[in-house]
Amino acid sequence: RKEVEQDPGPFNVPEGATVAFNCTYSNSASQSFFWYRQDCRKEPKLLMSVYSSGNEDGRFTAQLNRASQYISLLIRDSKLSDSATYLCVVNFRGSNYKLTFGKGTLLTVNP
Amino acid sequence: DGGITQSPKYLFRKEGQNVTLSCEQNLNHDAMYWYRQDPGQGLRLIYYSQIVNDFQKGDIAEGYSVSREKKESFPLTVTSAQKNPTAFYLCASTLDGHEQFFGPGTRLTVL
Repeated sequence: RKEVEQDPGPFNVPEGATVAFNCTYSNSASQSFFWYRQDCRKEPKLLMSVYSSGNEDGRFTAQLNRASQYISLLIRDSKLSDSATYLCVVNFRGSNYKLTFGKGTLLTVNP
Repeated sequence: DGGITQSPKYLFRKEGQNVTLSCEQNLNHDAMYWYRQDPGQGLRLIYYSQIVNDFQKGDIAEGYSVSREKKESFPLTVTSAQKNPTAFYLCASTLDGHEQFFGPGTRLTVL
């Protein structure tokens, strides 16, 4: 089983739509969780950390379910500028400062 | 402005040549990382360093070498032993082992 698995995508949605990405991780002893955004041919950029209680940043909401080893990202009122690849990232406990990246899910928001 | 710089942005090399990619950060981060990304693939860890004068192999270290003589700098050498060096190379750093921040990347093409 892969350590971090994401929805394969791609997702194509109209502007204004709500879209949700899911991610599962294999190691229950995981320490911290993140969503990164990567634009085409650019570096990944931190979108948000994911906290146990769930957290929201504007149109973006991240949830963590440790029992199910599951992370989600919800984007409301999608904008054209949200088009990017979204990477699920996990820091496994004892991994010695290493992060494990999912392969990413490509989102295209259409006018 | 604090950040991570990588140079050059694009690099072309002939088969059989070694080439060194630069990574510099002025964020005062202790840990630095090198990743490789191939089209449609996730990030794969090449090498990482948690402190000066110390570094560890990642998942795909064969054919690569690094040094960490200064806190600010973590150059990566792609040697002729690397069989498929054409890729997008990303350098990252972290202060506390959680969120990583990336440089803009170097695209290496072997001719």
